[in-house]
Amino acid sequence: SQTIHQWPATLVQPVGSPLSLECTVEGTSNPNLYWYRQAAGRGLQLLFYSVGIGQISSEVPQNLSASRPQDRQFILSSKKLLLSDSGFYLCAWDPGQGFEQYFGPGTRLTVT
Amino acid sequence: TQLLEQSPQFLSIQEGENLTVYCNSSSVFSSLQWYRQEPGEGPVLLVTVVTGGEVKKLKRLTFQFGDARKDSSLHITAAQPGDTGLYLCAGVAGNQFYFGTGTSLTVIP
Repeated sequence: SQTIHQWPATLVQPVGSPLSLECTVEGTSNPNLYWYRQAAGRGLQLLFYSVGIGQISSEVPQNLSASRPQDRQFILSSKKLLLSDSGFYLCAWDPGQGFEQYFGPGTRLTVT
Repeated sequence: TQLLEQSPQFLSIQEGENLTVYCNSSSVFSSLQWYRQEPGEGPVLLVTVVTGGEVKKLKRLTFQFGDARKDSSLHITAAQPGDTGLYLCAGVAGNQFYFGTGTSLTVIP
């Protein structure tokens, strides 16, 4: 069976510090991978998606970036965090058929 | 552009009551999913509907896909506190996912 991991689970970072969130998927190959951000109790904002190694599409211009160094690894980064980067970050995957997405447990980021 | 609008945005009901959540769009989707998310966790897939007019039941939850595949509803019978959470619909069009605005449900014991 497939599983998706995210870490860290929670993170408190000062403004201006760098960020690296990691997501890995097990039990599948060549998945589509997604990064979302969610405000409290609200819907999901798509940040980045990837259909393959090194292929990244950005949905929202901002100070975040994403990379996919391996088939089942997706990384969300920032060089300098802003207060507005605080939120709940979710990684998701789908098998590439545009059918169903499966989510990781999320990372709660607080920028102070 | 937000393609999927959910209503109501917030819902607070007593245990045992029935409720319906709506997911509406002017766009046609090839499939539609419903997810439930508990605080601090990722959304969990509940159901996928793919055929216009399709009805699926999951215990006390009934999901319906509109005939024109532009809208969907989720009906919960005899709600329980364990149903509390954020309900999200998501439509697929052209291999792209579009998530709804979310409905936050609280079931009071």
